[in-house]
This record gives sequence, structure tokens and C-alpha cells, in this order.
Amino acid sequence: GEDVEQSLFLSVREGDSSVINCTYTDSSSTYLYWYKQEPGAGLQLLTYIFSNMDMKQDQRLTVLLNKKDKHLSLRIADTQTGDSAIYFCAESPSSSNTGKLIFGQGTTLQVKP
Amino acid sequence: NAGVTQTPKFQVLKTGQSMTLQCAQDMNHEYMSWYRQDPGMGLRLIHYSVGAGITDQGEVPNGYNVSRSTTEDFPLRLLSAAPSQTSVYFCASSAAGGTGELFFGEGSRLTVL
Repeated sequence: GEDVEQSLFLSVREGDSSVINCTYTDSSSTYLYWYKQEPGAGLQLLTYIFSNMDMKQDQRLTVLLNKKDKHLSLRIADTQTGDSAIYFCAESPSSSNTGKLIFGQGTTLQVKP
Repeated sequence: NAGVTQTPKFQVLKTGQSMTLQCAQDMNHEYMSWYRQDPGMGLRLIHYSVGAGITDQGEVPNGYNVSRSTTEDFPLRLLSAAPSQTSVYFCASSAAGGTGELFFGEGSRLTVL
């Protein structure tokens, strides 16, 4: 079945770049997403990428998609302490949107001052 | 805008008790879903609905019931609570078509003793 894998923890220093990686299995996914969860809160969409794109940039965020390897990454430039959170990678499990997403385990990003 | 509203935020149950987690959205979204979040396991889909009167099972449906009598509401019922159902529960909604972005509630933390 569909599966999404992420590493569980990443620690960086303030001002450095953070790179969070994700692998997925469903090659028919139309969109892939990055969500952010702050402590005690729900998930909020950070950014998404359409499957026919290789890269998407949005201010400090860069998403890279390698469809051949089914690999997705999120780069946060100039990481700040406010970026400390759990980051989830997610995919739509089919080419049609039915409101179902498959989530990875989440990567906890710790930003040290 | 309220978005997706979940109640209660916290609940403690004894084994065998039943309860309902409420979820309401005011965005006129067609799709609604329930996820549970457990440490190291990401979010797992319990049940979802693509419209009023239509529901389907997700990855972990056992022990839970749902119904969708209106577009706005999607309650999740625990029939006979078990300690394995201790978790944080998230309700989400999304619009048909578009990018498939899920909008999440703030979560309901359930402890079953």
C-alpha cells in the first residue's frame, strides 16, 4: 500500500539551513504537501508541489521533487527559533482528490539559538 | 472565520465508556476526515466522507463510527473505549477539486484509563 517515510528528528543552529527529507511510494500522487505542527496545535499547510514540477520556491522555503526516486525535500533557509515544530510530508494516494492524505511520521525540527 | 472546530479539547474516559467527538466546519467543504496522531506514527486516517450521507473507512477504523447527516458536521463515536484509543484526534476538511489542501481543527486529546 501507500507509504510515506521521514526521519524523526533534525537539529540545526539558528541561521543555518534545514533540509527535511521524505520518500513516498505512490507514483500517481498529483500533489505532495508539507505541513507544520506547532506544540498543542493542529497542522497547517506550509506549501505543496504539483507532481509535474521539480522545484517550488516560496520565500525561505524550497521544495524539491525527484519523481524518479520518489523523494521530496523541504529546505528552510535562515532557520529561526520560530521554525521549531514538527514537519509532516503527505501525499494524495490517488490522482483524484477525495480529501484523503497519507502522512509521514513527522520530523521534529529543533532550532538551537 | 472559525474554520474547523472540534470539541472537546480534552477528555478522560474509563475503559468501556462511549463518547462522541464533535467536528464542525463553516467553509462549505465537501470532504471531511478524522485522523489520529500517535508518537512516531504520524497521522493515520480513521474514517472519511466525500459528502453528506457518504462515509468510508480509512486505515484504522475499528472501534469508531461516523455519520455525515449535514455538510457541516462529522462526529466521531467511540463505541466502547479502550486504552489503545488514547491519542490525539484531528478532524479535517477540504474542498472538492483544487489542490486537496486539508484544513485541520486544533485536536482533541483523549485518554482512556
